[in-house]
Amino acid sequence: KNEVEQSPQNLTAQEGEFITINCSYSVGISALHWLQQHPGGGIVSLFMLSSGKKKHGRLIATINIQEKHSSLHITASHPRDSAVYICAGHTGNQFYFGTGTSLTVIP
Amino acid sequence: ETGVTQTPRHLVMGMTNKKSLKCEQHLGHNAMYWYKQSAKKPLELMFVYNFKEQTENNSVPSRFSPECPNSSHLFLHLHTLQPEDSALYLCASSQGIFYEQYFGPGTRLTVT
Repeated sequence: KNEVEQSPQNLTAQEGEFITINCSYSVGISALHWLQQHPGGGIVSLFMLSSGKKKHGRLIATINIQEKHSSLHITASHPRDSAVYICAGHTGNQFYFGTGTSLTVIP
Repeated sequence: ETGVTQTPRHLVMGMTNKKSLKCEQHLGHNAMYWYKQSAKKPLELMFVYNFKEQTENNSVPSRFSPECPNSSHLFLHLHTLQPEDSALYLCASSQGIFYEQYFGPGTRLTVT
């Protein structure tokens, strides 16, 4: 069993919908990262958070340390949001990656 | 522009070849990383360098050999690879170790 689990694995949404991607982890971590990977492989770091909530444009990330759970929300989704979203936790020199959530936003 | 470049972008090599992957960052960062991404598997952290010193080697086979001559450059030397080593190899850098990372575009490696 992976230390970091994401759900759903695949998600299809209509343009404009509110989207939530969930991440649960079973190990103690110092911080949690959300990454976005577009077709072709390029990865962009969206958020790094260790508590509370962060917002950047239409993206919001939250983390609940006690419940070992984080969510990534996308408001007013757009086809350009179509990508794989990866959750990763780190502690010390260890990095634990989820398998990713593949999001497709249909116009 | 990501500020992190990788060359080559694509590489096909035989199992007896020796090749090197190059990563360069123009962001003034102190930490650099090599990752492996295989199909249908999570990202795997291979090596971490902080101020040119290797701080992590996640049980990577010796046929992968990293080199960090300075804080801006990172190499991954490859020799006698196996077909299962075919994957996307990603380089990243960050201001400090495990701070927000900036990724390169990756090198798609195929071992025949």
